[in-house]
Amino acid sequence: ETGVTQTPRHLVMGMTNKKSLKCEQHLGHNAMYWYKQSAKKPLELMFVYNFKEQTENNSVPSRFSPECPNSSHLFLHLHTLQPEDSALYLCASKQGYENSPLHFGNGTRLTVT
Amino acid sequence: GQNIDQPTEMTATEGAIVQINCTYQTSGFNGLFWYQQHAGEAPTFLSYNVLDGLEEKGRFSSFLSRSKGYSYLLLKELQMKDSASYLCAVMDSNYQLIWGAGTKLIIKP
Repeated sequence: ETGVTQTPRHLVMGMTNKKSLKCEQHLGHNAMYWYKQSAKKPLELMFVYNFKEQTENNSVPSRFSPECPNSSHLFLHLHTLQPEDSALYLCASKQGYENSPLHFGNGTRLTVT
Repeated sequence: GQNIDQPTEMTATEGAIVQINCTYQTSGFNGLFWYQQHAGEAPTFLSYNVLDGLEEKGRFSSFLSRSKGYSYLLLKELQMKDSASYLCAVMDSNYQLIWGAGTKLIIKP
């Protein structure tokens, strides 16, 4: 298996549920990212990890909690979400140098009811 | 503030040529990326420009003018599979990516 894999592809959860999104990259990259994509809006950067260390947290509400146990795996733990959190959540990875391109997973389509 | 502008939607005919524009105002500039995203799929990297001029890659070309804060993606010999959203992103002076909202390209037979 190659590239960036995200599971699940679709998730429906109530506002009181707790769930986790998983991302795995098989590209040997050192940096991993969580993005939120809403319809007709620019990608919103949520979290960045370099060599397993969190280097960015773009004022994301605490109901989103990232975890990076190693440079190949990234999780996004979700709890007490709001309906406006419904969106496509994309994971991406890249090589260490600044102008290397991002490699994205297919995303998790999240619906909060 | 930082801003990227691209048209929301464009329509073109199979076999034709289409140009998707992107204008930007950012704090510094360290390169511009174009990505393609088919519905329900991952964005995939198309091109990177950091110097002025045209970069050609098969049917796709990307142009940059840093003095004008302007780029375009040129798609030739359009095919139905080119129907997708095209995302423009600029890397600012802090190497942060600033994204446009994307241009949805519809190809008609």
